[in-house]
Amino acid sequence: AQTVTQSQPEMSVQEAETVTLSCTYDTSESDYYLFWYKQPPSRQMILVIRQEAYKQQNATENRFSVNFQKAAKSFSLKISDSQLGDAAMYFCAYRSGGYALNFGKGTSLLVTP
Amino acid sequence: NAGVTQTPKFQVLKTGQSMTLQCAQDMNHNSMYWYRQDPGMGLRLIYYSASEGTTDKGEVPNGYNVSRLNKREFSLRLESAAPSQTSVYFCASSSRREGRETQYFGPGTRLLVL
Repeated sequence: AQTVTQSQPEMSVQEAETVTLSCTYDTSESDYYLFWYKQPPSRQMILVIRQEAYKQQNATENRFSVNFQKAAKSFSLKISDSQLGDAAMYFCAYRSGGYALNFGKGTSLLVTP
Repeated sequence: NAGVTQTPKFQVLKTGQSMTLQCAQDMNHNSMYWYRQDPGMGLRLIYYSASEGTTDKGEVPNGYNVSRLNKREFSLRLESAAPSQTSVYFCASSSRREGRETQYFGPGTRLLVL
């Protein structure tokens, strides 16, 4: 079974600064997808960004970008110009040929003024 | 579009009681999923339905049954609730467009089993 590891249970960043959340995964597949989901206190799961493994270019969505290192099986999320509304749990997730998403345990991000 | 909706939002059950969690999506997605989220954990798949008329077990199916009523609706049933089933339950749906598949989640149902 594939495993997703988020080694940082909690992270803190000051408003307007940049923070990077780490994620590593274990797989023997060559074709797969990686995701970052945000879960604010409302508990809604919100897709932040998606990366296809066959694409070498790192995905970017406004202030959110990833550093995808396929050989190292690493998929980190960078949040630039952090805002108070970015405070949430962030989950890294993996999916290959099956249907299920495999989630990490999450990183709690605190944004301080 | 409402996206993925779930009812109820919150429920308290006594051990041994049964209940059904409802989920519906209006995005014309083929695939639907039920996950549970326990404290300090990511989401874990209970059951999924790749298309109308099919269902398959996920990582933690014991104690649950599902029904894919039609393309829109996918329900999760607890026949005899146990305290270990206290959790937050998320329904999700997805479709494949241009080879890219993204799951969209409902707001969750918080279940407490006493």
